[in-house]
Amino acid sequence: NAGVTQTPKFQVLKTGQSMTLQCAQDMNHNSMYWYRQDPGMGLRLIYYSASEGTTDKGEVPNGYNVSRLNKREFSLRLESAAPSQTSVYFCASRSGVPDTQYFGPGTRLTVL
Amino acid sequence: DAKTTQPPSMDCAEGRAANLPCNHSTISGNEYVYWYRQIHSQGPQYIIHGLKNNETNEMASLIITEDRKSSTLILPHATLRDTAVYYCIVRVGSTSYGKLTFGQGTILTVHP
Repeated sequence: NAGVTQTPKFQVLKTGQSMTLQCAQDMNHNSMYWYRQDPGMGLRLIYYSASEGTTDKGEVPNGYNVSRLNKREFSLRLESAAPSQTSVYFCASRSGVPDTQYFGPGTRLTVL
Repeated sequence: DAKTTQPPSMDCAEGRAANLPCNHSTISGNEYVYWYRQIHSQGPQYIIHGLKNNETNEMASLIITEDRKSSTLILPHATLRDTAVYYCIVRVGSTSYGKLTFGQGTILTVHP
């Protein structure tokens, strides 16, 4: 039982490049989330998926797209990376009972 | 979701109890108090949550005042590995959205 896994762990991009961050969970959870964390700040929600086949915007969705590929996988895509997207990205899945979120180890992204 | 206020930092000696306060004076009747922590460079980790009664699990105890306007997370015997940022979050439980709003949290430093 690996919990929530994320790939890659680190990534450096040039401005304008695109990439997809991968997230998978093996806990059979319905809801999954993408957060970003900038230095010295708390996490901010980018997108979430309440169940397979649905996605919704969070607080800071601009510049991102998501895909809920199946119940296990939820990917985050940057179509044209900008330096403002330099951050640590965390994926999470949510258990209903108890109502808690389980986080992955994060992807550290630098956009030059 | 109700706003929370936490001290920016606290210190604790190893082996002693760490008591982390949180004010949530605008909490609504159906909002729960959640505590998460984030050890350096890792994803946040769920600790405990409660509605109105005090709660205890293998990690910590949560004391909620009778008027529910404040709470205290207690780590009974702090260790060096408990050094982390602790987040107090207030939200409605078991909604389909399930969003967590992270503030600045409290940096707890446990020293030998």
